[in-house]
Formats: sequence, C-alpha cells, structure tokens
Amino acid sequence: GESVGLHLPTLSVQEGDNSIINCAYSNSASDYFIWYKQESGKGPQFIIDIRSNMDKRQGQRVTVLLNKTVKHLSLQIAATQPGDSAVYFCAEGGADSGYSTLTFGKGTMLLVSP
Amino acid sequence: DTAVSQTPKYLVTQMGNDKSIKCEQNLGHDTMYWYKQDSKKFLKIMFSYNNKELIINETVPNRFSPKSPDKAHLNLHINSLELGDSAVYFCASSSLQGNTEAFFGQGTRLTVV
Repeated sequence: GESVGLHLPTLSVQEGDNSIINCAYSNSASDYFIWYKQESGKGPQFIIDIRSNMDKRQGQRVTVLLNKTVKHLSLQIAATQPGDSAVYFCAEGGADSGYSTLTFGKGTMLLVSP
Repeated sequence: DTAVSQTPKYLVTQMGNDKSIKCEQNLGHDTMYWYKQDSKKFLKIMFSYNNKELIINETVPNRFSPKSPDKAHLNLHINSLELGDSAVYFCASSSLQGNTEAFFGQGTRLTVV
C-alpha cells in the first residue's frame, strides 16, 4: 500500500543550528500534509500544515516545504533549541487516504545538544 | 483546559482480561479517532468515527471495539487482551475527516502481562 516515510531516523544538532527533517510520501492523491512533534510521554502536537496548492508555509521558527514533483516534504526549524528535542512525524491526508484520516510516517528523533 | 483527555494514563493488566480506555474531547469536533503507537513509535490508525460512520482499519482484531455514547466521547473496549496489545493508545479528534489538524490526547500506555 502507499505510505509516508522518513529518510533519517535520528538527527543530532547543536543548539542554535538550523534543523531540517525530511519526509517522502508516495500517495500522489494526498492534498494535505502536517507535521507533528511528540515529546516523551505526551501525545503528538501540531506544528504546521500545508495544502497541496502551496509549496511553502512559514510559522514561528518553522517552515514546511512541499515538493509535489518528487513527493517530498520537509520541516525546517530555525535556531534549534533544547526544547525542540522530540520525535517529529509527517502525516498526509486527503480524500484518497484510505480511512479518510491522517496517515503517519515513521518519525524522526531530533536531539538538540546545548 | 484539556482539549482531548484520556483515562487512564497507564494500564497494566493480565492476559485474557477485558479493559476499556475512555476518551473525551471538549473541542466540539464531530470526528474522533483511536491510534495505536508501537514500540518503534509508529502511529497507526485503528478507528475513525463520527455520528454517521464508523471506519475500521481491517487489520484491527475484532477484540477491539469503539463505543461512542455521544459526540464528545469515544471509548475503546478491548476483550481478551493479548501480550501483543501492549502499546500506547492515542485518542484524537478533528473537525473534518482527513484534511485538517487532529488533536491528540496524552495517550494510554497499556501493558499486558
């Protein structure tokens, strides 16, 4: 079946660096993409989303880029802080996503060293 | 105010038992979900439910059943628990199916011994 996956299971950065977390998706019918942050012992928390009619969207210290040509999604975190340490998930949604719900990728652990 | 709340946060039980996890959302959403997160952090949808339709992931054993007394609640009942059911279970809700942000509860860590 079609799925969403991540290239890097663990990303280690220094405080103050910029972080880039990547995600590949295979369902070309997906029209909604979202990034979640999951801290230890907590549920996934919304970071930022983007719809397929856009290729870039910015939030506070975060930017999501969508490249539909190569089915690639990335999350950029500027000036990474220790509090950004968590597992990050990309997810896709849309009318064609099976159960009409979000399908999650495998997750990337971001470790930020002070 | 907690948007999506689940109880209990931890649940330890023996094989063969029947247990329930409760979920409530105060966001006024019309769609609720149950996800299972395994030891590798992989999140997999189990059920999607609104007041019109229950959508079941066909890989979910029929020992698992969602029950919704009203729009704000979606409880998860599990019969004849097995060791492989050990995982973290997340309840979530959203205002539209599949194309909007889902809000998650804090999770219930189920351990079957």
